[in-house]
Amino acid sequence: SAVISQKPSRDICQRGTSLTIQCQVDSQVTMMFWYRQQPGQSLTLIATANQGSEATYESGFVIDKFPISRPNLTFSTLTVSNMSPEDSSIYLCSVGTGGANEQFFGPGTRLTVL
Amino acid sequence: AQSVTQLGSHVSVSEGALVLLRCNYSSSVPPYLFWYVQYPNKGLQLLLKYTSAATLVKGINGFEAEFKKSETSFHLTKPSAHMSDAAEYFCAVSEGRGTYKYIFGTGTRLKVLA
Repeated sequence: SAVISQKPSRDICQRGTSLTIQCQVDSQVTMMFWYRQQPGQSLTLIATANQGSEATYESGFVIDKFPISRPNLTFSTLTVSNMSPEDSSIYLCSVGTGGANEQFFGPGTRLTVL
Repeated sequence: AQSVTQLGSHVSVSEGALVLLRCNYSSSVPPYLFWYVQYPNKGLQLLLKYTSAATLVKGINGFEAEFKKSETSFHLTKPSAHMSDAAEYFCAVSEGRGTYKYIFGTGTRLKVLA
């Protein structure tokens, strides 16, 4: 397993601003993922962030809106840019590890955009 | 492509009663199936996983799930509900061997009545 922390745990932001969310893992992992969970909804994958390569974005998500950094095997950031109220969600990072393709999730960042 | 369906967005059971949360996957046999639990204001925690080693899988907190190929199901059960089981439960399927990408179900919110 892996222990994952996220900062901040929650934030309230003004529209038009940007927020960078940090994800820290207690061990080296190759694959990290960023998800969005809109209120009352399931998880939607934003992108896969592998160290040493550009993040791979899912349909409907673009780098200009959600730039991702992955400087090393234990850390990643997701920026939510030019925010609008529709970006109010929980953002979760996860890591892929284990022999059965398990993912382990961070506690999430609860974002409210006014 | 894989898909997963969770029947019942809300399930209520009495404390001490059987918990049954339903999950059906698409017709092609997935390599891995998972159940995650999300407590209020928390990230996702892995409950159990199916890896084809055994059709009946036991997880944490007294939960278990049975893989039934003939029914394309992977329902989650617990013999006796506890108040602390109240949470959101997500079924997920991996997209294939060698990939950590998941498809999540829409989630089932479990309410436990005293």
